[in-house]
Amino acid sequence: QKEVEQNSGPLSVPEGAIASLNCTYSDRVSQSFFWYRQYSGKSPELIMSIYSNGDKEDGRFTAQLNKASQYVSLLIRDSQPSDSATYLCAVNTGFQKLVFGTGTRLLVSP
Amino acid sequence: GAVVSQHPSRVICKSGTSVKIECRSLDFQATTMFWYRQFPKQSLMLMATSNEGSKATYEQGVEKDKFLINHASLTLSTLTVTSAHPEDSSFYICSALRLAGGDLTTDTQYFGPGTRLTVL
Repeated sequence: QKEVEQNSGPLSVPEGAIASLNCTYSDRVSQSFFWYRQYSGKSPELIMSIYSNGDKEDGRFTAQLNKASQYVSLLIRDSQPSDSATYLCAVNTGFQKLVFGTGTRLLVSP
Repeated sequence: GAVVSQHPSRVICKSGTSVKIECRSLDFQATTMFWYRQFPKQSLMLMATSNEGSKATYEQGVEKDKFLINHASLTLSTLTVTSAHPEDSSFYICSALRLAGGDLTTDTQYFGPGTRLTVL
């Protein structure tokens, strides 16, 4: 069973703080990893993709991948109330299919 | 990013009727699209992989005769929920696979806005 694990939260941070979201996966051969943001009642929106070990930065977002430890994380700097959403970690397990975690709910308070 | 549309965004139907949902990739061609279902407070569950010009591949436990998928062109896939029942009420979301070119690991799924189905 290929699994992707996330803490369901909610993760509460004050406005302006750094939010750190974590994800672990079980399939060691996974090659590509994605973070999606999903607002309540809406469909997922791609935030970041990462394929190589290390950090990848895009604006206020930084994705971190450690294949040896089988974890991927997402850092959100200068968190804003508009960042409040559920963040889904997704792993490409082959044949371009994605396995999703259950998501971490982030709450950013003004 | 890439743009994927879905129609309708919301549908209410009577039990026993069939409902068709369209998924379109607007600015790229997608030989592969995916159909997901999401129940409240749960994550996305993949229902099937839609391949242009060939039969869809269904995930275990998904009835292919109930959820008919047609991918007739490189920009359009349709999901028909046949003989819908209240337990089919859910949020149906499609995604289109945008190929990065050469490296399969960098291909990316872009999601449509979803269709909320309510079966009375």
